[in-house]
Amino acid sequence: NAGVTQTPKFRILKIGQSMTLQCTQDMNHNYMYWYRQDPGMGLKLIYYSVGAGITDKGEVPNGYNVSRSTTEDFPLRLELAAPSQTSVYFCASRVSDQPQHFGDGTRLSIL
Amino acid sequence: KNEVEQSPQNLTAQEGEFITINCSYSVGISALHWLQQHPGGGIVSLFMLSSGKKKHGRLIATINIQEKHSSLHITASHPRDSAVYICAVSSYGGATNKLIFGTGTLLAVQP
Repeated sequence: NAGVTQTPKFRILKIGQSMTLQCTQDMNHNYMYWYRQDPGMGLKLIYYSVGAGITDKGEVPNGYNVSRSTTEDFPLRLELAAPSQTSVYFCASRVSDQPQHFGDGTRLSIL
Repeated sequence: KNEVEQSPQNLTAQEGEFITINCSYSVGISALHWLQQHPGGGIVSLFMLSSGKKKHGRLIATINIQEKHSSLHITASHPRDSAVYICAVSSYGGATNKLIFGTGTLLAVQP
């Protein structure tokens, strides 16, 4: 049982490049979330999904896009990378009223 | 003012000491969560509680709903307890169980 798997673990991008952060869970959880974690700040919600085909914006969605074509996968897309998007990104999932399960994070630097 | 406040921000303890980390919140909640994040690592859920007290090994979490306050206690602390401890709350309403996070308490336990 792998839980929540995020890839890649580290990435360096140039300004203006695009990339997709992958998130997969094998627990059949319906709810999935993307967060960013910046130094000295609490985690901020970027996007979330309540099930396949349903996504919605969180607190800080600008510059990002998501899709949820299957229950298992919830990729996060950066279209035009900007230095302000340098952060650690966490994907999480949950079912019912249980605690969220988090992935190990993706550390992204944009130079 | 943040909706979830933690104190202290940083804490250094000697091995064996009893440790308390505090969390205050200003919104109505359905549950409060304590999370652990080791340096460079992922995030693990320690407790989810809506009333009273929970215990797991050397960790104890309490919540006072009337005072909007929770504490995380670590008994007989050990260097492996060194981590960031994050308090988060699930606010009322909706099915999304979105979390509001504190900024974390960095704990260092010295041998």
